[in-house]
Amino acid sequence: DTGVSQDPRHKITKRGQNVTFRCDPISEHNRLYWYRQTLGQGPEFLTYFQNEAQLEKSRLLSDRFSAERPKGSFSTLEIQRTEQGDSAMYLCASSLGGFRDTISRSATPGELFFGEGSRLTVL
Amino acid sequence: AQSVSQHNHHVILSEAASLELGCNYSYGGTVNLFWYVQYPGQHLQLLLKYFSGDPLVKGIKGFEAEFIKSKFSFNLRKPSVQWSDTAEYFCAVNARNNNDMRFGAGTRLTVKP
Repeated sequence: DTGVSQDPRHKITKRGQNVTFRCDPISEHNRLYWYRQTLGQGPEFLTYFQNEAQLEKSRLLSDRFSAERPKGSFSTLEIQRTEQGDSAMYLCASSLGGFRDTISRSATPGELFFGEGSRLTVL
Repeated sequence: AQSVSQHNHHVILSEAASLELGCNYSYGGTVNLFWYVQYPGQHLQLLLKYFSGDPLVKGIKGFEAEFIKSKFSFNLRKPSVQWSDTAEYFCAVNARNNNDMRFGAGTRLTVKP
């Protein structure tokens, strides 16, 4: 058990509906990442938080996608007006420290701990 | 941005065979390199990582990987695989000037008993 939990594990929805996924990271981890994985592909980076600040967003994250981490603990990923192309596994990961220490400007690599993912099926 | 390619999509081996999975990345700067493994029905977990120092790194369960900077490669090896190594293996690269870790498409390993 990695300690990163995601909910729901599987969501089936009709095209055009909104869905929200929740991620609870390991409690002492300050960094939280969202990835998307489709069949036969590796995880694709979507966005990343340091504490409550969303520091990077991928171009994959269209304006229908929004992610929040309001208190620097759990995070939500919402997809509005879902499309069939949104069907994928949405992975959350957390780490203590990160790949770039913004204070020292040196690399502070952080091992990512992944949750089991939330599978989205859009009909 | 960095990118990662894994050469083999599916590898089938018999138990006790030796394993080498290829991973190449494209990025001109300094990188951190990782191999993650996903066993059937489980989450992704770290197998091993390279940040600096000795380019031959050892991970869990007898796996090792060698960073060859001139070839932009980070191949995963295991001298003798077991049935329990059946899983999907992902190579990942992080450039030190950003927080974006890029994954390869993965290699599915099937070990026949």
